[in-house]
Amino acid sequence: KAGVTQTPRYLIKTRGQQVTLSCSPISGHRSVSWYQQTPGQGLQFLFEYFSETQRNKGNFPGRFSGRQFSNSRSEMNVSTLELGDSALYLCASSEGVPGANVLTFGAGSRLTVL
Amino acid sequence: AQRVTQPEKLLSVFKGAPVELKCNYSYSGSPELFWYVQYSRQRLQLLLRHISRESIKGFTADLNKGETSFHLKKPFAQEEDSAMYYCALTGSARQLTFGSGTQLTVLP
Repeated sequence: KAGVTQTPRYLIKTRGQQVTLSCSPISGHRSVSWYQQTPGQGLQFLFEYFSETQRNKGNFPGRFSGRQFSNSRSEMNVSTLELGDSALYLCASSEGVPGANVLTFGAGSRLTVL
Repeated sequence: AQRVTQPEKLLSVFKGAPVELKCNYSYSGSPELFWYVQYSRQRLQLLLRHISRESIKGFTADLNKGETSFHLKKPFAQEEDSAMYYCALTGSARQLTFGSGTQLTVLP
C-alpha cells in the first residue's frame, strides 16, 4: 500500500500570498487530519475531515481552510500568509474516525514564508 | 478541554540505562492514549496505544487514571531509541491532541 502522500514537499512564499497543500491518504482511508508542526508550538491540530465533511477544527484563524474530495484526497489552503505560518504541515489519514483509529502521517509540506 | 503535558523537552540517558518519558493528561472522561515517535528524517509514526497493552521495541506505557498519567518506559535504552516522542490523547470528540514532545537522546 502506498503511504500518505503530501505535495509539494517544500515551498517558499512571501507574505500576503496564499498557498494550497495537497494530501492523498492511504487507499481506503476516509479520514484526513491536518497538523501544523513548529519548533516552538509542537504539533497543533488544524482540522479533520471524514467523508468530505469537516468534523473538527482547531484554534486557527479563518485564513486556514480545507476541504476533502469524494476520493478522500484533501487540500488545505492558507490565505494572506504571515511570517508565523512558516511550519511543517502534516497530513494524516486513518480508516475511520481519527482518535478511534491509528493515524498514518505523511512526510509533510514544509512552508517557508519570507 | 483536553490537554497533554510532557514536562521534559529534552531527556538524555546512557545506553543500557532505564528510561521514562513522562506524560500527564487532563480530561474529564475516559481517554484513549497513544505514544507517537519521530526518528530523525522519518515520518511521525505510532509507537503504541494504551488499549493494545503491547510492548513495542521494548517500550511499555501504563495508563494511571488516578494520577492521569501515561508514562513511557523502557528498561534498557538503546542508541536507536533516540528520537522525538509525543504523547497524544483522544476523548469523546475524537480529536487527537498531542503533547509538546520530548527529545530523547541515548548516549553511547
